[in-house]
Amino acid sequence: EIVLAQSPGTLSLSPGERATLSCRASQTIDSRYLAWYQQKPGQAPRLLIYGASSRTTGVADRFSGSGSGTDFTLTISRLEPEDFAVYYCHHYGSSPQTFGQGTKVEIK
Amino acid sequence: QITLKESGPTLVKPTQILTLTCSFSGFSLSTTGVGVGWIRQPPGKGLEWLGIIYWDDDKRYSPSLKGRLSITKDTSKNHVVLTLTNVDPVDTATYYCAHRGSSGSYAFDFWGQGTMVTVSS
Repeated sequence: EIVLAQSPGTLSLSPGERATLSCRASQTIDSRYLAWYQQKPGQAPRLLIYGASSRTTGVADRFSGSGSGTDFTLTISRLEPEDFAVYYCHHYGSSPQTFGQGTKVEIK
Repeated sequence: QITLKESGPTLVKPTQILTLTCSFSGFSLSTTGVGVGWIRQPPGKGLEWLGIIYWDDDKRYSPSLKGRLSITKDTSKNHVVLTLTNVDPVDTATYYCAHRGSSGSYAFDFWGQGTMVTVSS
């Protein structure tokens, strides 16, 4: 089973700042099958990025994904008030699929 | 427009069987490449992948559930059913079903609103 470790656990930033979230896999994964989701309190997760770097339709271009092998990054270039949420990475290239434990982006 | 909705009991007793239904619209589970997955989230915790069923009836399960989980589909009714046996209080969670895309993105691109299940005597 591929374990995804996200860091940091919590990121305290101000609106307008840049957020860099990390997802490290316990073994090399195909970047075609790495996704990022955003989850706000009381809501279902929302797909932001798939294939490590492709934005889903309707996702703002301040969100970008990158990485390969075992190291992947989600970057939010300039935080907007609605971006404060929890973010999860997800590996879906083989079974069992796995999620990272999440990174909470909170207002500083 | 793809939508999914989970339904089932909100309270289940330990050792009983939990059955949840995912009712969906906007896609067919007979279309090549399509899948419906189940994911749960204990209160205040992260997401846990439970399993997935594909258009061809292939099924994959999380080994952590140790054979307690079964996922079936009824293509004609646009339903997917999750069955979890011998439930325990640690199974208390919000359960989500989600659509797995068949072109471009193979991630979970549409999610249900989730249904909260409590396991308690």
